Amino acid sequence: QVQLQESGPGLVKPSETLSLTCSVSSGSISNYFWTWMRQPPGKGLEWIGNVYYSGSANYNPSLKSRVTISVDTSKNQFSLRLNSVTAADTAVYYCARDRGGTNLYTFDYWGQGTLVSVSS
Amino acid sequence: DIQMTQSPSSLSAAVGDRVTITCRASQTISRYLNWYQQKPGKAPNLLIYGASSLQSGVPSRFSGSGSGTDFTLTISTLQPEDFATYYCQQSYSPPLTFGGGTKVEI
Repeated sequence: QVQLQESGPGLVKPSETLSLTCSVSSGSISNYFWTWMRQPPGKGLEWIGNVYYSGSANYNPSLKSRVTISVDTSKNQFSLRLNSVTAADTAVYYCARDRGGTNLYTFDYWGQGTLVSVSS
Repeated sequence: DIQMTQSPSSLSAAVGDRVTITCRASQTISRYLNWYQQKPGKAPNLLIYGASSLQSGVPSRFSGSGSGTDFTLTISTLQPEDFATYYCQQSYSPPLTFGGGTKVEI
């Protein structure tokens, strides 16, 4: 069964760039959309954006000016970059697979999540 | 953006109870509605997709219904492992949005 694992710094300074990578194992990254979401402590879920294995990406308009999601099929990984972070970007960040097909935008496999804190 | 409103935000129930959670969309989303269960410190887990289709491996005590703007998640006989927070999510159009969650407590 497909497994996803987020990796990256757990602490980022204000105004700097948050960078996370999601490694996909026991399955190919090809032919699927891959998604990043986040959840501030004690709050609900927010969709950040997704990327198709071909590299085409879509973003939440609320974050679009600061976000880049990319894919590296050779490594079976996809990545998130969020620049100019503030304390409001402190959250658990999840990567997930989109089922695709007739069930697009439905997330059937998730990483365990990684807490990123923004603080000086 | 499509706003998703869940009710109640929390509820208390006992093992064996029948539990119903509702989700309302701010505009029609046909049947593009998913339900997830999240336990503390864990990632969400897909329960129901397409408003009423049961994800593989999910117990049959979970069911979903609705279309248009109003949806429900029902747990027919609450089990100890079902105490968690439940989220609805619209898969109709980006930006994808979630409800605020319903915490099911003992």
